[in-house]
Amino acid sequence: AQTVTQSQPEMSVQEAETVTLSCTYDTSESNYYLFWYKQPPSRQMILVIRQEAYKQQNATENRFSVNFQKAAKSFSLKISDSQLGDTAMYFCAFMGHTGANSKLTFGKGITLSVRP
Amino acid sequence: KAGVTQTPRYLIKTRGQQVTLSCSPISGHRSVSWYQQTPGQGLQFLFEYFSETQRNKGNFPGRFSGRQFSNSRSEMNVSTLELGDSALYLCASSLMGGLTLGYGYTFGSGTRLTVV
Repeated sequence: AQTVTQSQPEMSVQEAETVTLSCTYDTSESNYYLFWYKQPPSRQMILVIRQEAYKQQNATENRFSVNFQKAAKSFSLKISDSQLGDTAMYFCAFMGHTGANSKLTFGKGITLSVRP
Repeated sequence: KAGVTQTPRYLIKTRGQQVTLSCSPISGHRSVSWYQQTPGQGLQFLFEYFSETQRNKGNFPGRFSGRQFSNSRSEMNVSTLELGDSALYLCASSLMGGLTLGYGYTFGSGTRLTVV
C-alpha cells in the first residue's frame, strides 16, 4: 500500500517570499502520479500542480514548482512570491498508474499562512 | 463550464438515521470518486464509479454505499449513522478516472455532515 507523509503540520511565510512544503511517499510502483492540492476555507480541493513519475523534468505552474526526487521518493512544492490568497491547507497526493489504482492517497496536509 | 456540484452543502442528522448525498460531475466526466475528510483520519477514499459501475472501493464498512446514474450523477448513502461519520464528504470527477490523469480530478466543495 502507498503512504504519503507530510511531516510539517503548519508553516508561515511573509507575503512576496518563497516557501517550500515537503512531502515524502512510499510505493513499490515504478510509474505513478503525484499531486499537490490546495484547500482554502471554501473547502473545495483545487489542483495546484501534477507530476508524472516517468517525466524527469520538474513540473511548473506559474509561481508553483516542484522538486521531484524519484529515488528519494520526495515531492516538495515551492511557492514563489507568496500571496495572501495562498493561505490554505495543502495536500500532497499519490495515484498509481493502473486503472485499478484510480484513487488518490493523501498526506495529512499542511496549513500554510501567508502574513501581510 | 460548471464545476462539480455537491448537495446539500450542510446536513445534520441523528444517530441511527440514514443520509443520501448527491454529486453532479462536470459535464462529460464519467468517473466520480468520493472521499471522507475528518480532522483525525484526514482524507480517505470511499469509492469510485465509472459508467455506472463501482470500479474501486476503500476500506469502509458496508453502511457506506453509492451508485452512479446514466447521466454520471452519483449518490452516496450512509445507513445507521454513527457519531464518527461526522465529516466533510468530497466528490471528485474526472473524464475517465485513473487511466487518463492528464485531465486530473476536479473536486466539489463537499457536504458537511454532522451526526448528533
